[in-house]
Amino acid sequence: GDSVTQMEGPVTLSEEAFLTINCTYTATGYPSLFWYVQYPGEGLQLLLKATKADDKGSNKGFEATYRKETTSFHLEKGSVQVSDSAVYFCALSVGGYQKVTFGIGTKLQVIP
Amino acid sequence: DSGVTQTPKHLITATGQRVTLRCSPRSGDLSVYWYQQSLDQGLQFLIQYYNGEERAKGNILERFSAQQFPDLHSELNLSSLELGDSALYFCASSVLAGGPSEQYFGPGTRLTVT
Repeated sequence: GDSVTQMEGPVTLSEEAFLTINCTYTATGYPSLFWYVQYPGEGLQLLLKATKADDKGSNKGFEATYRKETTSFHLEKGSVQVSDSAVYFCALSVGGYQKVTFGIGTKLQVIP
Repeated sequence: DSGVTQTPKHLITATGQRVTLRCSPRSGDLSVYWYQQSLDQGLQFLIQYYNGEERAKGNILERFSAQQFPDLHSELNLSSLELGDSALYFCASSVLAGGPSEQYFGPGTRLTVT
């Protein structure tokens, strides 16, 4: 079946540090890939997405590139802020019915 | 604000009881999804409805059931509750049944079973 593997947290960084959260996947078909973010006490919201190989999704300074050869979709940000503290979920969707498979989530803590 | 509403926000009940969680999707969205988020199991997809019909099923227990009504709101029914059912339950909605359309999540219902 489909699965998403992402690094377990928490990840603790100082403000303005470089962020990488690794995500790899296995899928029975050709997936679309997503990063969702969950701020404390809130639901998930889409951060970025990519629908085909070599696509780069970007939003709010975050980027991720769909790498089919390595089945990866790593999330990066050049300079994190305290306000980026949240849980980040890598996810994939295959096929016509939008069932989304989520990773376990990586908690990011950014300290001033 | 995603436009997806869920009620109630919090629910505390006893083992063996039955509860109903309600979700109203964003205006114009036809698909509704239910997820369970717990500390030990992460975010688990339960079930999806599209325009009133069940479209996909995930790790949903037989004690749980859902439906989507003609006005597109959805209800998740949880019965014979166990302590392990304590979790956050999220509803999400999207426009399409297929394709990589974004899912919009509600704020969740926190269920505590005592």
